[in-house]
Amino acid sequence: EAQVTQNPRYLITVTGKKLTVTCSQNMNHEYMSWYRQDPGLGLRQIYYSMNVEVTDKGDVPEGYKVSRKEKRNFPLILESPSPNQTSLYFCASSLRASGKATYEQYFGPGTRLTVT
Amino acid sequence: AQKVTQAQTEISVVEKEDVTLDCVYETRDTTYYLFWYKQPPSGELVFLIRRNSFDEQNEISGRYSWNFQKSTSSFNFTITASQVVDSAVYFCALSEAAVTGGYNKLIFGAGTRLAVHP
Repeated sequence: EAQVTQNPRYLITVTGKKLTVTCSQNMNHEYMSWYRQDPGLGLRQIYYSMNVEVTDKGDVPEGYKVSRKEKRNFPLILESPSPNQTSLYFCASSLRASGKATYEQYFGPGTRLTVT
Repeated sequence: AQKVTQAQTEISVVEKEDVTLDCVYETRDTTYYLFWYKQPPSGELVFLIRRNSFDEQNEISGRYSWNFQKSTSSFNFTITASQVVDSAVYFCALSEAAVTGGYNKLIFGAGTRLAVHP
């Protein structure tokens, strides 16, 4: 089954304790991205990757890191989490945009993070 | 700048009513894509439709239909004969044409929460 998986699905942590949220896709997609969802704000892009070893900042990258060492995996790292990073996080993947075409993104199930 | 506005924060209907979710977008590009996603209470995001800016034909898929009007920069979504299972948050999103390198960013609206009551 084609899917994007994320782990963990729920996480409660304390300020400053480093954490990693994993993301993996089995669709051989080049493009992967992380979003956070907050009430009233919709989803906002944190980081994206157009291929292995190619990553760039989205709209709200502060406090986050990513890496893309393999095509299927795109972990999100919070080196020193703070309470304002409490949110619902989604990983997504899609075919890489080409020419004038962009493609739909497929989302993981989400990770609900609470930082106290 | 790109922007997507979903002015309806919450809509409540009774089963079998028709309901339209509004989406207005702003972009300076002539080539762009519009999307709708559904987020049911379970929380996942489900892709519903992708439409490019050169295709203004309305789309129908079962009880779902989409009306794309470039003249008013709108991409509205109608559910006919709504059902309780349609209860969800619906997001409209915009992506401008890819620049060299395959950039594929989505700009989301804030979402509309639809509650369908029996």
